[in-house]
Amino acid sequence: SAVISQKPSRDICQRGTSLTIQCQVDSQVTMMFWYRQQPGQSLTLIATANQGSEATYESGFVIDKFPISRPNLTFSTLTVSNMSPEDSSIYLCSVEARRENPDTQYFGPGTRLTVL
Amino acid sequence: EDKVVQSPLSLVVHEGDTVTLNCSYEVTNFRSLLWYKQEKKAPTFLFMLTSSGIEKKSGRLSSILDKKELFSILNITATQTGDSAVYLCAVEAAEYGNKLVFGAGTILRVKS
Repeated sequence: SAVISQKPSRDICQRGTSLTIQCQVDSQVTMMFWYRQQPGQSLTLIATANQGSEATYESGFVIDKFPISRPNLTFSTLTVSNMSPEDSSIYLCSVEARRENPDTQYFGPGTRLTVL
Repeated sequence: EDKVVQSPLSLVVHEGDTVTLNCSYEVTNFRSLLWYKQEKKAPTFLFMLTSSGIEKKSGRLSSILDKKELFSILNITATQTGDSAVYLCAVEAAEYGNKLVFGAGTILRVKS
């Protein structure tokens, strides 16, 4: 099964700055996903990151605000740009991996971001 | 628009009680329904359901899907304080590839 790590686990940032979140998987995976969970809300998909192609963004999310890199099959980054307090959320990466079930999404430990 | 609705939104029970969490959905081209448990930040996978009427079981947790009535339930028997968490239901629609649409979650608190 895939082991997923994220860095940083939490951060407190100033308005107007940017933060890059890293997601590392211990095995090669085709599809990686970035989600956001705002306080008291459920998870919302930001984008799907496939290696070797541009990320596919969901409605309401744009590349200028959330640029994503996917340089290889084990790593991805999400940048939250020009942050405002509304960006305070938990950011989660997930991957599809086969374990007991085929094509199930498993989540990394998450990054808790607070923007002042 | 695809929609996943969970009920109740929150629940407080005592240790030893049995709870039933509900998830109804409206999606086109249904592919699978998943249950996750979220304690701090990361949701941990519980079950993936694709076929109606087949119960999935893991210890005190079990789940079943009804594709005709478009809902699923998650049962937890003999609850323990460690079951306190947010339980998330998500649905995968084939037309969106691997995109998961999440419900708002059910907050379960088990009191000792």
